[in-house]
Amino acid sequence: AQKITQTQPGMFVQEKEAVTLDCTYDTSDQSYGLFWYKQPSSGEMIFLIYQGSYDEQNATEGRYSLNFQKARKSANLVISASQLGDSAMYFCAMRNTGTASKLTFGTGTRLQVTL
Amino acid sequence: DAGVIQSPRHEVTEMGQEVTLRCKPISGHDYLFWYRQTMMRGLELLIYFNNNVPIDDSGMPEDRFSAKMPNASFSTLKIQPSEPRDSAVYFCASSSGRGAKNIQYFGAGTRLSVL
Repeated sequence: AQKITQTQPGMFVQEKEAVTLDCTYDTSDQSYGLFWYKQPSSGEMIFLIYQGSYDEQNATEGRYSLNFQKARKSANLVISASQLGDSAMYFCAMRNTGTASKLTFGTGTRLQVTL
Repeated sequence: DAGVIQSPRHEVTEMGQEVTLRCKPISGHDYLFWYRQTMMRGLELLIYFNNNVPIDDSGMPEDRFSAKMPNASFSTLKIQPSEPRDSAVYFCASSSGRGAKNIQYFGAGTRLSVL
């Protein structure tokens, strides 16, 4: 069975600083995808970034990058130049290619950006 | 392009009443998912459809829950009879299976309160 672990229930970061949100995963499959979603206080789930298990380079999307370390089974999200609007819950998720489209989510990390 | 549309955004009902949640997926997407989010259990996949056919309903809590997808642009999640423990945020998401990433895009959610 696949499992996602996010060990940081809450994080603080100062505006304009970078922050890393941790995510480790457990799977016996070789082919899988890793995702990060943002959930602001308004409640919607917003897709941020995707990393495929066979991608050789770390994914980047604007200020978001994914630090993918396959041997360590980690897929940490790095947010550069934090903004107040980045304050939200962040969820890491995984999909094994062999299980059609089912996503398994972690418990989330609440990020608070301060002045 | 419109995203996933859910209605209603908020629903307050009394125990024993029937509740119907609605979802319109992104046009062209062939997968549709229903999730439930609670503080205690996090994000749980209830059921998902591919090309309007239910593929995996193993996450549906019990027979009080049912989901249908009569066509490619509409799905419902029904709870009958509702109970206070059904109070949660219910998300609908859709994705296109044609891409390798198969990214799920979420609606804004329906916040259900059963009194």
